[in-house]
Order: sequence, then C-alpha cells, then structure tokens
Amino acid sequence: AQSVTQLDSHVSVSEGTPVLLRCNYSSSYSPSLFWYVQHPNKGLQLLLKYTSAATLVKGINGFEAEFKKSETSFHLTKPSAHMSDAAEYFCVVSDGANNLFFGTGTRLTVIP
Amino acid sequence: DTGVSQNPRHKITKRGQNVTFRCDPISEHNRLYWYRQTLGQGPEFLTYFQNEAQLEKSRLLSDRFSAERPKGSFSTLEIQRTEQGDSAMYLCASSGQGQETQYFGPGTRLLVL
Repeated sequence: AQSVTQLDSHVSVSEGTPVLLRCNYSSSYSPSLFWYVQHPNKGLQLLLKYTSAATLVKGINGFEAEFKKSETSFHLTKPSAHMSDAAEYFCVVSDGANNLFFGTGTRLTVIP
Repeated sequence: DTGVSQNPRHKITKRGQNVTFRCDPISEHNRLYWYRQTLGQGPEFLTYFQNEAQLEKSRLLSDRFSAERPKGSFSTLEIQRTEQGDSAMYLCASSGQGQETQYFGPGTRLLVL
C-alpha cells in the first residue's frame, strides 16, 4: 500500500530564510511522488513531481525536492522564503493506477 | 480560463436535503476524479471516471453518494439525505490519457446544518 507521512503539521520561518518541509513515503514499488500547494480559497496547485528520472526535482516558485530511496524521503525545500509562500503543502504518492494518496499537510507560515 | 471549474463554490444545506455539485474538467482530459477534504486533512479519493465510465469507487463513497459523467465531459456528484458528517470540501481533478499529474479545481465547500 502507498502512503505518505508529513512530519510537521506546522512550520514557521522568517522571510528570506530557508524552507524545509519533510515527507516520508511508503510504497511497495518505485513511486511517483508529488508536492501540491493549497492557498486559501484556491485549488491545489502542482509544485513538482518525481517520476523515477532525476532524484533532484525542480518545481515552480523556486521550490525543489530530493528523492532519497535509502531514507524513503521526499523533502521539499526552498532557499529563501517569500511572504507569498504561506500556504498548506501536501506531499502525495501515486499508486500508479490513477489514485493519489495525500499526506495530512504542512501549514507554512512566513514571518515578515 | 482553461482550468478545472467547479460549481457552486459554496453550499449550505439542511440535514436530509439532497445536493448536487458540478465539475467541468480541462477540455482535452479524459480522466476525472472526485476527492473529499475535511478540515485539517488531506484530500481523500472518492471516485474516478475515464471518459463516461466510472472505473473505481472508494469505500468512502456510501450509497447516498452518486457520481455521473454522462457524455464524458462534465461530471456531477450528488449527495442524498445529507448528514452533518458530509460537511467538507469536495474537490474535482482531471488528467490526460496516460498522465499521472492531476489538475484540481477550486472545490465546493459544503456545510450541512
């Protein structure tokens, strides 16, 4: 079975400092992994995806994530937080048959 | 705008009433998905269509829930005899043939009083 665990329900960072949102996955085979962002009153937006190509994946808005099979992790990072990054972030794994399994989300707060 | 659209955006209803939500996917996408998201949780899969065929249903989809996609384009999700536990955000997503990436609509927020 596929699942993801987001290790932090809330993360607060100061504007201009690095962001780290942690995600561990469980999958019975080589997974496809995604990060989505959800701003208030807006739909989920795809940040980036990993599909067994390069282990370091670059996404939109300066975000990137590294797939580490040995650690079963797919942490999301950004070198410098911006106020507009404040949102809910979801780590997601696909079962390869069209179903997505979402983590419980990490709320990112950016302090000015 | 060529993204996924959902209507209505908000719905307030009394317990026991029926409600229907609509989703219009990205026009060239043949796959359509419904999810439910409760407060503080990630979205949970409900059901999935490929063209007009409903290929999979989650056990979360009780017999009070029904979804249709009659012409393989827009889809409707109906909840009969609503209960307070049905209060949630209902999300629709679509994807193209052979693509894993799903594109989400803004959701319909349901409140059952």
